[in-house]
Amino acid sequence: QQQVKQSPQSLIVQKGGISIINCAYENTAFDYFPWYQQFPGKGPALLIAIRPDVSEKKEGRFTISFNKSAKQFSLHIMDSQPGDSATYFCAGYSGGGADGLTFGKGTHLIIQP
Amino acid sequence: GAVVSQHPSRVICKSGTSVKIECRSLDFQATTMFWYRQFPKQSLMLMATSNEGSKATYEQGVEKDKFLINHASLTLSTLTVTSAHPEDSSFYICSARDYGTSSYEQYFGPGTRLTVT
Repeated sequence: QQQVKQSPQSLIVQKGGISIINCAYENTAFDYFPWYQQFPGKGPALLIAIRPDVSEKKEGRFTISFNKSAKQFSLHIMDSQPGDSATYFCAGYSGGGADGLTFGKGTHLIIQP
Repeated sequence: GAVVSQHPSRVICKSGTSVKIECRSLDFQATTMFWYRQFPKQSLMLMATSNEGSKATYEQGVEKDKFLINHASLTLSTLTVTSAHPEDSSFYICSARDYGTSSYEQYFGPGTRLTVT
């Protein structure tokens, strides 16, 4: 599987601040880019996802920005809350194929109260 | 959204024994399911793609004889870890996509924590 590079590895943000996580991909066949949130001991849960035909998608406090030419996308969490403290994974996926998701290495986010 | 369940949620077994993990799509049919493995503080790594009625496709480096996958129905895939060893201890997670819709969303199960002693 080709890589999805994710940064930073860990992030500490004050309550009410903006959390930003970045990802870059290699596989140009990817046409679906989801972000997952995972709490310890639980399976990942879909947070928000984007297709490459749009440059931005917003759902509540969560926004994905997508730059197709740079092959980069990012997650912005506005008004970050302590309950947002979790590990976040970006991923790439080719919906027309039969392969699974290719995940980034994850970002451990801590929101300080 | 659609629901995927896994059973058991955690299992402890002795070295050399086999363990079966079930993955079920509860309210949709899944012609394809995916199995991932996650070591502590690491990312999810795709192990294999499970196809209903046919052989699974394994990722490079995953031993097909050790990790047996059976996708016997449109709602059930099983992963059997054969002759388990302590290094197989990990968090195993399945996912499924509802190919009956146009959505690309994959639904993840809650995971199975395997500890081999």
